[in-house]
Amino acid sequence: GDSVTQMEGPVTLSEEAFLTINCTYTATGYPSLFWYVQYPGEGLQLLLKATKADDKGSNKGFEATYRKETTSFHLEKGSVQVSDSAVYFCALSEQSGYSTLTFGKGTMLLVSP
Amino acid sequence: DADVTQTPRNRITKTGKRIMLECSQTKGHDRMYWYRQDPGLGLRLIYYSFDVKDINKGEISDGYSVSRQAQAKFSLSLESAIPNQTALYFCATSGGQANYGYTFGSGTRLTVV
Repeated sequence: GDSVTQMEGPVTLSEEAFLTINCTYTATGYPSLFWYVQYPGEGLQLLLKATKADDKGSNKGFEATYRKETTSFHLEKGSVQVSDSAVYFCALSEQSGYSTLTFGKGTMLLVSP
Repeated sequence: DADVTQTPRNRITKTGKRIMLECSQTKGHDRMYWYRQDPGLGLRLIYYSFDVKDINKGEISDGYSVSRQAQAKFSLSLESAIPNQTALYFCATSGGQANYGYTFGSGTRLTVV
């Protein structure tokens, strides 16, 4: 079945540091890929998505590129802020109209001033 | 008002009790989902519904049941709560295409003692 593997956290960074959170996937078809963010005490919010190979999703300074050859969708940000501290989830959904989201285990990011 | 509303936000219940978690959405979407979040395990799908007459089991449906009362309402029941059902529960909704994102509620934190 489908699966998503994320790097384990927590990832601890200083403000303005470069961020990478690795995500790789296993899927039977050509899935859509997503990054969700969960701030403390809140539900998950869609951060960005990509629906086909080589697409780049971007939002709020975060980027991720759909790499079919390496089955990866790594999340990057050039300069993190304290307010980026949250849990980040990578997820996939098959292109079938009857699929559901499969999530990774999440990666906690802690940014210090 | 929030797009997806979950009630209650927090609940403590005793082992063996029946409990219902409620979810309503104002997005006008047909699809609704219940996920469970546990530390280190990410989100796991309990049940999902693609329309009012459709109910499907997810990967961890044992011990749970659901009811889709209307397009906008999807409730989750624990027939006889047990301590290992202590978790954060999320309801979500989505549109009809696989590459749509999900909109999540703020979650219900359930503790079974």
